[in-house]
Amino acid sequence: AQKVTQAQTEISVVEKEDVTLDCVYETRDTTYYLFWYKQPPSGELVFLIRRNSFDEQNEISGRYSWNFQKSTSSFNFTITASQVVDSAVYFCALSEPDTGRRALTFGSGTRLQVQP
Amino acid sequence: GAVVSQHPSRVICKSGTSVKIECRSLDFQATTMFWYRQFPKQSLMLMATSNEGSKATYEQGVEKDKFLINHASLTLSTLTVTSAHPEDSSFYICSAISKSALAGGRAVTRTQYFGPGTRLTVL
Repeated sequence: AQKVTQAQTEISVVEKEDVTLDCVYETRDTTYYLFWYKQPPSGELVFLIRRNSFDEQNEISGRYSWNFQKSTSSFNFTITASQVVDSAVYFCALSEPDTGRRALTFGSGTRLQVQP
Repeated sequence: GAVVSQHPSRVICKSGTSVKIECRSLDFQATTMFWYRQFPKQSLMLMATSNEGSKATYEQGVEKDKFLINHASLTLSTLTVTSAHPEDSSFYICSAISKSALAGGRAVTRTQYFGPGTRLTVL
């Protein structure tokens, strides 16, 4: 069975601080996909990134960066120089391989509050 | 590209009535659509997987007679909450996976794109 753990329930930082959101996953599949989604107060889920299990290269997109480490089954997300608009709930998710349903297993989410 | 819409965005109904929620992929064809449910301050829980032209697959513990899913076309799936009760009050979110690799020139395969959600309140 698949499982995603986001141990940090809530994080509060002051604007311009860097913040890292942790994500640890469990799966028996050798091929899988990892995702991060942002859920602002409006409720919609915004896709941030997808990573497949064969690609361990770290990725940077503007102030966002992701560190995928297969050896520790972690896919952490860092926001550099945080801004108030980054305040949201962030979900890490794990997808079944293409041969399966491709449903997502979500972590419990981390609520990020960025104070001005 | 890869836009998913949901309608209505918010609905309030009386106990015992049925409510239909529509999920549409606007600029791509979706082989599979998923329905999730989210209670306040909780994570998303998968309710069912919907494939066009076939019966939905429900997760354990989800009553298929209560949550009717119809995936009539490659761009539309509907969730009907029958005889709604206050405990059915929740945020319902759909997502879709593209049939093709591209939508609007952007690679979308294997990524679920989510609708904006429907907040259901049953009085």
